[in-house]
Amino acid sequence: EIVLTQSPGTLSLSPGERATLSCRASQSVSSSYLVWYQQKPGQAPRLLIYGASNRATGIPDRFSGSGSGTDFTLTISRLEPEDFAVYYCQQYGTSPPYTFGQGTNLEIK
Amino acid sequence: QLVESGGGLVKPGGSLRLSCAASGFTFLTYNMIWVRQAPGKGLEWVSFISSSSSHIYYADSVRGRFTISRDNAKNSLYLQMNSLRAEDTAVYFCGREDVVPAVFTPGEYSYYMDVWGKGTTVTVSS
Repeated sequence: EIVLTQSPGTLSLSPGERATLSCRASQSVSSSYLVWYQQKPGQAPRLLIYGASNRATGIPDRFSGSGSGTDFTLTISRLEPEDFAVYYCQQYGTSPPYTFGQGTNLEIK
Repeated sequence: QLVESGGGLVKPGGSLRLSCAASGFTFLTYNMIWVRQAPGKGLEWVSFISSSSSHIYYADSVRGRFTISRDNAKNSLYLQMNSLRAEDTAVYFCGREDVVPAVFTPGEYSYYMDVWGKGTTVTVSS
């Protein structure tokens, strides 16, 4: 089973700042199989990025993803108030389970 | 749209059957997934079923106790949960899996869950 470790656990920033969230895999994952979601309290997760770097439909271009192998990054270039949420990475490896990271809580400083 | 139902309070060792009603898309062409989230915790992938039910997978934590199924004629996904434990307490989400050719790697495909239900709450407690 591939384990995804996200860091930091909590990130405290102000609107307008840049956020950098990390997702590290216990073994190499094809960038085609790395996904990022956003979840707000009481809501279902929302797809942000698939294939490590492709924005989903309707996702603003301040969100970007990058990385390969075992290290992946989600970057939010300039934080808007609505961006404060929990972010999860997920991997779709060659076989299930298709695990999630434990999440990064992006909170307002 | 996906709408889950069937959650509730059940005693340890009991059973529940969750349903997920799909609308607005051609259900029978999509793989479907159950994901759960324990109170205050992260997301946990639970089970997968392919569009024709030919491929089914489970997380180790539920294998042998949970059964995923679907009825394409009824646009519905199900999760039969038996021998429930306190650690199964969670919000259960159903999700649609979509797949597209990978942008940068010819021959590969990118998978993701692009439509999610709002979830149904399962509480296992005596």
